[in-house]
Amino acid sequence: NAGVTQTPKFRVLKTGQSMTLLCAQDMNHEYMYWYRQDPGMGLRLIHYSVGEGTTAKGEVPDGYNVSRLKKQNFLLGLESAAPSQTSVYFCASSYVTGDMNTEAFFGQGTRLTVV
Amino acid sequence: ELKVEQNPLFLSMQEGKNYTIYCNYSTTSDRLYWYRQDPGKSLESLFVLLSNGAVKQEGRLMASLDTKARLSTLHITAAVHDLSATYFCAVFPNTNAGKSTFGDGTTLTVKP
Repeated sequence: NAGVTQTPKFRVLKTGQSMTLLCAQDMNHEYMYWYRQDPGMGLRLIHYSVGEGTTAKGEVPDGYNVSRLKKQNFLLGLESAAPSQTSVYFCASSYVTGDMNTEAFFGQGTRLTVV
Repeated sequence: ELKVEQNPLFLSMQEGKNYTIYCNYSTTSDRLYWYRQDPGKSLESLFVLLSNGAVKQEGRLMASLDTKARLSTLHITAAVHDLSATYFCAVFPNTNAGKSTFGDGTTLTVKP
């Protein structure tokens, strides 16, 4: 049981390049999330998904796209990377019991640098 | 817009002392979560508070939730160096439960 796995763990991009971050969870969770964490700050929600085939915008969605074609995977795409997107990206997933969303389980993070 | 405010943001304590971290939030929520993050690491779940008046304890940490006051506290008893970390509270609102908001974190340093 690996939990939440993020790929890659580190990446350096040049401005204007594109890339996709992959998040995979093996816990059959309904909800998945992408956050970014900047130095000295909390986590800010980029996009989230409440189920396969559905996505929604979070607090800071601009410059990012997401897809959830399979329940276990949540992809975060950067179409044209900018230095302002240098950050640590965390994926998380959570399950629903009754009508309540429960605690989120986090991946190990992806450290992205855009030069 | 949901706002989650933690205070203090930085806390330096002597070993053996007690202190409380506060988490205020601005919308209706019956659920609040506390996480711990060590430098360069991911977030680890500490407490899940699912109702008004919920109190949970694990070792030297105790968390409580007052949904009427929209306030959660994380109390540290007799701090030890191993508790040095950044602590985050997070709110998942009753409506639109996927749209979580985290506080900015409290960086705790426990000195001998």
